[in-house]
Amino acid sequence: DAGVIQSPRHEVTEMGQEVTLRCKPISGHDYLFWYRQTMMRGLELLIYFNNNVPIDDSGMPEDRFSAKMPNASFSTLKIQPSEPRDSAVYFCASSTLAGGLNEQFFGPGTRLTVL
Amino acid sequence: DQQVKQNSPSLSVQEGRISILNCDYTNSMFDYFLWYKKYPAEGPTFLISISSIKDKNEDGRFTVFLNKSAKHLSLHIVPSQPGDSAVYFCAASGGRQGAQKLVFGQGTRLTINP
Repeated sequence: DAGVIQSPRHEVTEMGQEVTLRCKPISGHDYLFWYRQTMMRGLELLIYFNNNVPIDDSGMPEDRFSAKMPNASFSTLKIQPSEPRDSAVYFCASSTLAGGLNEQFFGPGTRLTVL
Repeated sequence: DQQVKQNSPSLSVQEGRISILNCDYTNSMFDYFLWYKKYPAEGPTFLISISSIKDKNEDGRFTVFLNKSAKHLSLHIVPSQPGDSAVYFCAASGGRQGAQKLVFGQGTRLTINP
């Protein structure tokens, strides 16, 4: 199994530009999560989906952030326009409740730098 | 409001000795707790978990202890090995936020010295 795949691994952009982060969850997983890691706030949950439907987006910082999951094997997190304070590592994770475990599998992350 | 807290940002332990990482939580509705390990430039990986119906769970060199009355859990690593050097996150779920939503602590950087 390839695990959770994220792209790009690194993104450097200028303030005001649109940024799109991509995620392919593990096949068969029906939950998908987007997290942001910063020194100040640690690992924060931004939004999560169940069966492609957004369930909780209360962690999305503001309207500049949006996430979609058009099908079971793909999700995007978009920031438009980007700001320097958005610089962080963004992780995607997936899971399934089958087996009764609550273990989430994380991708390698996308390091975003907004200049 | 930090519902899950890891008050030690870093910990240094000699190889072969016991490493003890601590975590406190404030939400009494949490009923499932997990530890994740993270190496640089990688995503967190699941290490061990415990349900609130237990007070101990062991997996090889790793043991997690849960003290519900104190709202405290700890991860013990015995014996510590150089490959254990990483950042460790504790996480909790349950209650009104649901079983799937994890709340993470800030992380503790563990360094194992040879």
